[in-house]
Amino acid sequence: DAEITQSPRHKITETGRQVTLACHQTWNHNNMFWYRQDLGHGLRLIHYSYGVQDTNKGEVSDGYSVSRSNTEDLPLTLESAASSQTSVYFCASSERFYGYTFGSGTRLTVV
Amino acid sequence: QQPVQSPQAVILREGEDAVINCSSSKALYSVHWYRQKHGEAPVFLMILLKGGEQMRHEKISASFNEKKQQSSLYLTASQLSYSGTYFCGTERYGGSQGNLIFGKGTKLSVKP
Repeated sequence: DAEITQSPRHKITETGRQVTLACHQTWNHNNMFWYRQDLGHGLRLIHYSYGVQDTNKGEVSDGYSVSRSNTEDLPLTLESAASSQTSVYFCASSERFYGYTFGSGTRLTVV
Repeated sequence: QQPVQSPQAVILREGEDAVINCSSSKALYSVHWYRQKHGEAPVFLMILLKGGEQMRHEKISASFNEKKQQSSLYLTASQLSYSGTYFCGTERYGGSQGNLIFGKGTKLSVKP
C-alpha cells in the first residue's frame, strides 16, 4: 500500500545545531508540503513543492529550507535550531483537487 | 488570511448534532475538512470545490457558500468516534495551487 512516512518520530536537539527531518511518500504525488503545528495556531505552512527541483516558501519559512531531488522525498532542514522551532512537524502530499495525506509527524524539541 | 473557525470547542452527547463553521476573508477556490485525534495526524474528510456539490462522509456533510467564502461542517447523530479536532483548510483564488491555509481548529468532544 502507498504511504507517507516521517522520521524520526521524536527528536531532541540543542540550540544552534542543524537538524533534518525526513519525509518519504510512495503515492507518486507531485505536491508535497511541510507544516508545523503549535497549540493555538493550528497548522502553518513552512515550505512546499510541486515537483522535482521545485521548492517554495510558505508563511513561516524563516530558518527552514527544503530540497526536492526526486518525487518521493522532501527533507526539511532547520539551519540553526532555535527554541521557537520546538513544535510538531507534519509532512503531507497530494494531487490538486484531492485531499492531503499526512505523515505521522515528528515531535521536535530544541533545548 | 487564516480562516476563522467557530466555535472553538463544543461538547456533545452521543446522538446530538453539531455545526462547525469556517469563514475566510479571501475568495476561495476550495475548502477541505480534516479531523485530527489526539497524538495523531490529521485525516482528510472531504473537499468542496467552487461550483461543486455538497459532500458527505458517513453521517458528516459539508456545504460551501462561495459568495460568502464560508463553509460549514454538519455532524449528525454524533458518535463517540467523532471526537477530535476539526480543521478547515482553504485554497484561495490567486494563491498557489493546491496550497491550503488551515484554521485553528474546533475541538469536538462527544460524551456517552
